[in-house]
Amino acid sequence: AQSVTQLDSQVPVFEEAPVELRCNYSSSVSVYLFWYVQYPNQGLQLLLKYLSGSTLVKGINGFEAEFNKSQTSFHLRKPSVHISDTAEYFCAVSEGTGGFKTIFGAGTRLFVKA
Amino acid sequence: EAQVTQNPRYLITVTGKKLTVTCSQNMNHEYMSWYRQDPGLGLRQIYYSMNVEVTDKGDVPEGYKVSRKEKRNFPLILESPSPNQTSLYFCASSFYGGEQFFGPGTRLTVL
Repeated sequence: AQSVTQLDSQVPVFEEAPVELRCNYSSSVSVYLFWYVQYPNQGLQLLLKYLSGSTLVKGINGFEAEFNKSQTSFHLRKPSVHISDTAEYFCAVSEGTGGFKTIFGAGTRLFVKA
Repeated sequence: EAQVTQNPRYLITVTGKKLTVTCSQNMNHEYMSWYRQDPGLGLRQIYYSMNVEVTDKGDVPEGYKVSRKEKRNFPLILESPSPNQTSLYFCASSFYGGEQFFGPGTRLTVL
């Protein structure tokens, strides 16, 4: 069965520092992988996605993620964060075949301090 | 403007009073889905639909019903709401395998 684990529930970081938000998944079939961001009192919007091809995926706002099939991970990184990156980040996995059932991680709250 | 709309945005109701939360998308997406968001649990999928008249259960379908009679609409029905269904609900839509576009959310309180 699919599952998604976001290894950190909260990540505090200073402005302009690098950050990594970790995501591990388990699945017995091929998967599509996503990172979404949720700003306070808003819905979710896509940061980036991995469907196939290059394992290094670039998204909006300077974020990138690397798909590691052997470690079943999809960690999100940004080399230099801004105050405006303060938000909750969700990793999500969809089955690549069939029904597209989607599993979300519990979320990581990124708090960027001045 | 391409969007997913949900109504109502806020709802306070009492136990046992049937309610419907509507969801509509104007992007001609085949796939639509309902999630609930609870603190510390992330988003959990309630039901999803691959196309008109094709629906399937997600991880937490108990106490909910859905229907997909038209491609653009995917209402969520709570026949007899209970306090444990108090939550923030999101509707989403996408093309197959693509990113999901989320509605603004419906905050439901069941007393």
